[in-house]
Amino acid sequence: GAVVSQHPSWVICKSGTSVKIECRSLDFQATTMFWYRQFPKQSLMLMATSNEGSKATYEQGVEKDKFLINHASLTLSTLTVTSAHPEDSSFYICSPKGYDNSPLHFGNGTRLTVT
Amino acid sequence: QKEVEQNSGPLSVPEGAIASLNCTYSDRGSQSFFWYRQYSGKSPELIMFIYSNGDKEDGRFTAQLNKASQYVSLLIRDSQPSDSATYLCAVIKAFTGGGNKLTFGTGTQLKVEL
Repeated sequence: GAVVSQHPSWVICKSGTSVKIECRSLDFQATTMFWYRQFPKQSLMLMATSNEGSKATYEQGVEKDKFLINHASLTLSTLTVTSAHPEDSSFYICSPKGYDNSPLHFGNGTRLTVT
Repeated sequence: QKEVEQNSGPLSVPEGAIASLNCTYSDRGSQSFFWYRQYSGKSPELIMFIYSNGDKEDGRFTAQLNKASQYVSLLIRDSQPSDSATYLCAVIKAFTGGGNKLTFGTGTQLKVEL
């Protein structure tokens, strides 16, 4: 299966600070990156979709100025949670997709806790 | 109506039994269907995918798709305690040009008891 590296695996930060999450596709070129968020006992919710070299498309209710997505290369995308608040505490998961239509795989996720 | 619906469970089965997990979806134009397993605190991992009506078998797992009934299921034969996890059903709707977005159900918690 596809190799996806997501870092950090967990992070604790203070309210008001920013956190950057990296997602790398190690064995294929990720033309598209999906970013998901999962709250406890809930399913994955798509936050945004980004295509390499272009602006991300955000799902309804997701603030684009708060969740900054950069997809500058075919192997790396980042999600920055700006001015984090306790309600942003969640499990963030990336899912890169290549040129083909292979089933989507996921990074190992980042557990964010905002205190 | 939710786009992808699953019974949250928990579904409890004895070790060695067949576990049957069900999922319905609302968009009749949906094209691709996936089953993911998610252990607590971990990221989902792909178990199976199915595109065509009928059954698809892979080891102890069988995915069943009935597009007319908008229903997809996952059967796990010879269930093991290590199969205890939450199983997520995911659907890709008709391609809209924005990439293949997965829509997830809320998952069914499976408990395989000794």
